Amino acid sequence: DQQVKQNSPSLSVQEGRISILNCDYTNSMFDYFLWYKKYPAEGPTFLISISSIKDKNEDGRFTVFLNKSAKHLSLHIVPSQPGDSAVYFCAASGESGGSQGNLIFGKGTKLSVKP
Amino acid sequence: DAGITQSPRHKVTETGTPVTLRCHQTENHRYMYWYRQDPGHGLRLIHYSYGVKDTDKGEVSDGYSVSRSKTEDFLLTLESATSSQTSVYFCAISGRRGINEKLFFGSGTQLSVL
Repeated sequence: DQQVKQNSPSLSVQEGRISILNCDYTNSMFDYFLWYKKYPAEGPTFLISISSIKDKNEDGRFTVFLNKSAKHLSLHIVPSQPGDSAVYFCAASGESGGSQGNLIFGKGTKLSVKP
Repeated sequence: DAGITQSPRHKVTETGTPVTLRCHQTENHRYMYWYRQDPGHGLRLIHYSYGVKDTDKGEVSDGYSVSRSKTEDFLLTLESATSSQTSVYFCAISGRRGINEKLFFGSGTQLSVL
């Protein structure tokens, strides 16, 4: 049973507009959430994270929002650039709840930013 | 960039043959991981290590074994490769667990089992 869900396999956005990538989780024991970005033929690279004591974390053009009551997080990219075109993975972890503290990843969302 | 080297980068093998993938790090990180990435499945944890000779299973460990005899090296072995093990394999490392843990990934090994 999937504990981290990214229900949109793909997203297409115009350059300069906002990209919003969504992630839902089922395990209420998760207390740390991350976003990774992956280009073809490369390994995933860390983008931004948030702990459960916060509801927002911002780093330049990237902002992650966490809604614990809804078990939902989102990644906002503003403004979107063609170089942001990649697959984005949401990940979560928590010492309790069966994951043994390991990161559990979603299936990914492929973002395409069109010039 | 984190110093992680995966070898080989590409491998084609036949069903039933043994295969070993190597991950080498120069960061002296304690934790090392093997993930596989498949379309429609994202990244799934195969095995991980929390120190020399200390390893444990992840969510998709069947058919795989690992060894870590040195801090810097983490080997993934497919004892008898099957077509279902055709995948992209990523090694990852981290210096800590839990809050503020951050995995650094290698560039991956594309394995094809024919």
